[in-house]
Amino acid sequence: GQQLNQSPQSMFIQEGEDVSMNCTSSSIFNTWLWYKQDPGEGPVLLIALYKAGELTSNGRLTAQFGITRKDSFLNISASIPSDVGIYFCAGRNTGANSKLTFGKGITLSVRP
Amino acid sequence: NAGVTQTPKFRILKIGQSMTLQCTQDMNHNYMYWYRQDPGMGLKLIYYSVGAGITDKGEVPNGYNVSRSTTEDFPLRLELAAPSQTSVYFCASSYWSGTGDEKLFFGSGTQLSVL
Repeated sequence: GQQLNQSPQSMFIQEGEDVSMNCTSSSIFNTWLWYKQDPGEGPVLLIALYKAGELTSNGRLTAQFGITRKDSFLNISASIPSDVGIYFCAGRNTGANSKLTFGKGITLSVRP
Repeated sequence: NAGVTQTPKFRILKIGQSMTLQCTQDMNHNYMYWYRQDPGMGLKLIYYSVGAGITDKGEVPNGYNVSRSTTEDFPLRLELAAPSQTSVYFCASSYWSGTGDEKLFFGSGTQLSVL
C-alpha cells in the first residue's frame, strides 16, 4: 500500500530558529496536506497543496508540493514555544476509491 | 461553528464490553472517517463513509463496526472490547468532489482504555 515517510521522528530546536520537515512517498499524490496536533487535541489543518510545484504560506509556515509529486516540505520560520506539537503530512491521489494516507508524524520540541 | 464533535472524551472499558463512539459534523460534508492513533504510529484508518448509507473498511477494521444513517452522524461501534483497542480515536470529515480542494477536519478525539 501507499506509504508516507516522515523523519526524523523527533526534532529539537531553539526558539527563533527555522525548521524544515519533509515527507516522501513511494507513490504520486495529487493532494498534500500538513497538520499540527497539540497534546490532547485532534490534528488541525495548516496548509493544503493541490498542484505540483505549488508553494503556499500561512503566517510563519510555508509548504511546497514537490515537482515529482512524491514529496512535500513544510518550513517553520522563527519558531516560538507554541510551535511544539506533532506535525503530520497526508497525501491523496485521485480516483473514486482514493483515501488519505498519513505519515507517522514528527514531534517538534522548541527550547525557550 | 462546531465542526466535528466527538463524544465521549475519555472512556475506560472492561474486556468484552461494548460501546459506541459518537461523531457528528455540521459542515454538510459527504465523507466521514474514523482513525485510531497509537503512539509513534500515526493515524490508521478504521472505516470511512462517502455518504449516507455507504460505508467501507479502511486499513484496520477488525473489531469495529460503523453505520451512516444521516449525513451528519457516523458512530463507531466496538462490540467486544479488547486491550488491543486501547487507543485514541479520531473522527474526521471532508467534502470530497473527486477533483481536489479537499480539506479534512478532525474532532478532538476519544481516549479509550480497555482493561
